[in-house]
Amino acid sequence: QVQLQESGPGLVKPSQTLSLTCSVSGGSISIGGYYWSWIRQHPGKGLEWIGYISYSGSTYYSPSLKSRVAISVDTSKNHLFLRLSSVTAADTAVYYCARDDGMVRGVKYWGQGTMVTVSS
Amino acid sequence: DIQMTQSPSSLSASVGDRVTITCRASQSISRYLNWYLQKPGKAPKLLIYFASSLQSGVPSRFSGSGSGTDFTLTISSLQPEDFATYYCQQSYSTPRTFGQGTRLEIK
Repeated sequence: QVQLQESGPGLVKPSQTLSLTCSVSGGSISIGGYYWSWIRQHPGKGLEWIGYISYSGSTYYSPSLKSRVAISVDTSKNHLFLRLSSVTAADTAVYYCARDDGMVRGVKYWGQGTMVTVSS
Repeated sequence: DIQMTQSPSSLSASVGDRVTITCRASQSISRYLNWYLQKPGKAPKLLIYFASSLQSGVPSRFSGSGSGTDFTLTISSLQPEDFATYYCQQSYSTPRTFGQGTRLEIK
């Protein structure tokens, strides 16, 4: 059973960089066919796709965040990372890591989510 | 980007009711449409993938249909645990976009 767990600071100051780690267990992050994703949810709002990194290392980002976001992996540790630079209060949200199983299969595995607040 | 529009935004229903939620894409997405259920404070849960395929372990009272731009999620007989927020998501292209959600409340 694949499990994902987000970790990182719960509070980030404006203009700084938000950095989160997703620890993946129960399956290798380097196995082909999966897209390791970050999705966020502003308080009381809907789901916003941030981007993903494919099993081959290719990255795809939301156009609205593309200039500030970077997703990477450490296959030796089975970790997924999110970096979001120049944050503002508008980046306050619950951040989820997830495994996208491709066009047909959807997103079955999600982390529990981690709340990040941007405030001075 | 492909825009996903759900209707209604909120819905009140009773246990035992049959409920339908619709999702419309701004362009054809074939059958690359997924449905999720989310309860407060929890991560979303995949219910339906590829428009009509029931995710393993999901009760058969949930069903999905549609192709192209118009899709529906139907719950045949509402149970107390079904009161939650439902999201559609297209997986036809990136960025993967979600509908705005449909909040299903107890009448």
